[in-house]
Amino acid sequence: DIQMTQSPSSLSASVGDRVTITCRASQNVRKYLNWYQQKPGKAPQLLMYAATSLKSGVPSRFSGSGSGTDFTLTISSLQPEDFATYYCQQSYSSPRTFGQGTKVEIK
Amino acid sequence: QVQLVQSGAEVRKPGASVKVSCKASGYSFTGYYIHWVRQAPGQGLEWMGWIDPNSGDSRYSQKFQGRLTMTKDTSVSTAYMELSRLRSDDTAIYYCARVTDFVVAPLTTRTFDPWGQGTLVTVSS
Repeated sequence: DIQMTQSPSSLSASVGDRVTITCRASQNVRKYLNWYQQKPGKAPQLLMYAATSLKSGVPSRFSGSGSGTDFTLTISSLQPEDFATYYCQQSYSSPRTFGQGTKVEIK
Repeated sequence: QVQLVQSGAEVRKPGASVKVSCKASGYSFTGYYIHWVRQAPGQGLEWMGWIDPNSGDSRYSQKFQGRLTMTKDTSVSTAYMELSRLRSDDTAIYYCARVTDFVVAPLTTRTFDPWGQGTLVTVSS
């Protein structure tokens, strides 16, 4: 199975801050990398796919980069509604493994 | 709109079984795989397996082999996840999610979108 490792596990940031989350795959997943956002008490929701493509309706302050084994999710200017846990997931091979999550908290 | 609605919370004793349903609407049920993912309290997401609602074919994580069964009923556009021989560490929220493909040439990438609202399964004596 492909292991996905996110860093940091949690971070504290203020509204307006630029935030970057990293995801590393244990083997090459090309650009088969998705990002999900999960708010407390809610199901995860797709944010980005194919490493760099924003799902329709997701604000443009979210962006993704990377390919191969190293990926990043960036929020250019953190908004109150962005405080949540973010998960990466590889869709290169089965099982479609997730990272352990990065919790973005209010400073 | 595309929607997955899951059955309500369940409480079971250790050793029992639980069956969670996931009713699809807003699209052709047989056209898209359904995956199941669980989340233990305060923990991350754990993939369990998938079912093809068209053929009934399924594949499970090795972790759940022998305890997990996924089925479907196309007449009511519903997928089911049954976990047997429950233990306390099976306490979790169980989610179903539909596979949605996105084409970003030259890739066709598979995502989980949308998800059901989740079903809390509590295993306690």
